[in-house]
Amino acid sequence: QVQLVESGGGLVKPGGSLRLSCAASGFTFSDYYMSWIRQAPGKGLEWVSYISSSGSTIYYADSVKGRFTISRDNAKNSLYLQMNSLRAEDTAVYYCARGSSGPDSIYFDYWGQGTLVTVSS
Amino acid sequence: SYELTQPPSVSVSPGQTARITCSGDALPKKYAYWYQQKSGQAPVLVIYEDSKRPSGIPERFSGSSSGTMATLTISGAQVEDEADYYCYSTDSSGNHVVFGGGTKLTVL
Repeated sequence: QVQLVESGGGLVKPGGSLRLSCAASGFTFSDYYMSWIRQAPGKGLEWVSYISSSGSTIYYADSVKGRFTISRDNAKNSLYLQMNSLRAEDTAVYYCARGSSGPDSIYFDYWGQGTLVTVSS
Repeated sequence: SYELTQPPSVSVSPGQTARITCSGDALPKKYAYWYQQKSGQAPVLVIYEDSKRPSGIPERFSGSSSGTMATLTISGAQVEDEADYYCYSTDSSGNHVVFGGGTKLTVL
């Protein structure tokens, strides 16, 4: 069965950096888009970034563009999110999700349980 | 930036039909998707491509879309359907995806 396990969350000071990882299993990782989606405490879902199966296509939300970098290692079945210049408003649970191709966009059919990132001094 | 608008809350009694709406300017040309998120859990896809139901999702969940509005319908809502529901779609370019603000469904 599809499993997505995030790691790397924790407490970091404003302006600091953190790298999240997502270990995937139960499907052919290299066939799928992958994405990061976050949820601030008590708030709704916010898409952060997605990457195509080969890594050649990447998109970011405006709120993280220039600060976050998504990447993947298909040999290791792993997805990453490098987060730099972190701000208090980046505090959230970060979910890793598998992207399936719909007729006009990707959508997320499996999600991990999330990892909490807290940005505070 | 593109936005999807949902009502903050919907409340029904058990056995009644719950309808949750999602409005967006690109919906006439773009599919809508729906996610259920129970307290403390990760979201689960309950409807994709406007009206299709993934395997394992009860038949009481259905979706439709007309014009600039998509609707998630739960026929005969049950207490275990209490959750936050989010619609999801893409802007006209197809490259930037967005979630609605979420609707808290109360069944009591």
